[in-house]
Amino acid sequence: QVTLKESGPVLVKPTETLTLTCTVSGFSLSSARMGVSWIRQPPGKALEWLAHISSNDEKSYSTSLKNRLTISKATSKSQVVLAMTNMDPVDTATYYCARWFSGSPPDYFDYWGQGTLVTVSS
Amino acid sequence: DIQMTQSPSSVSASLGDRVTITCRASQDINIWLAWYQQKPGKAPKLLISAASSLQSGVPSRFSGSGSGTDFTLTISTLQPEDFATYYCQQANSFPITFGGGSKVEIK
Repeated sequence: QVTLKESGPVLVKPTETLTLTCTVSGFSLSSARMGVSWIRQPPGKALEWLAHISSNDEKSYSTSLKNRLTISKATSKSQVVLAMTNMDPVDTATYYCARWFSGSPPDYFDYWGQGTLVTVSS
Repeated sequence: DIQMTQSPSSVSASLGDRVTITCRASQDINIWLAWYQQKPGKAPKLLISAASSLQSGVPSRFSGSGSGTDFTLTISTLQPEDFATYYCQQANSFPITFGGGSKVEIK
């Protein structure tokens, strides 16, 4: 059974760095064809993809946020970590991690975490 | 980056109606498009991959079509559990991008 679970602070102050952890089970972060992305959704707004890490540790970032994001993984711990610097109230959102399945293609997000709401406020 | 534009942003429909949502990519993405359904307070759920491939367990009233830049998601006979927001997502290349969402509401 594949599961993903996000964890991290519910409240951060402006200018602080947010660190979120996605703990996965039911698959290995080193499995070929499996990657993990972070996606966020401000209240009442659309989904926004943030960052991705592949099974062979290749990383991709949102063009608009790449200067603030760092994604990494600890395969032995089954964890993917996202760091976002210089947080601002506009970064208030539910943050999801999702598994990316690389087919022959097609590729898609087949499993998602429940999401964690992060509020940025002083 | 590939921009994804969905329309309409919201649609009011009745039970049993046929609903069509469109998604346009800013460049050719072949058939590498996925559709997701999201209900309030829940994570998105994958409905369709590769433009028209229905995921296991998804009712057959959902269908997808298109290639290149223009895609559609159709719900043939709207059921109560289909009231939700639908997102398209291009899977052609990184950075991954989503459409702005289409909310299907009860008329």
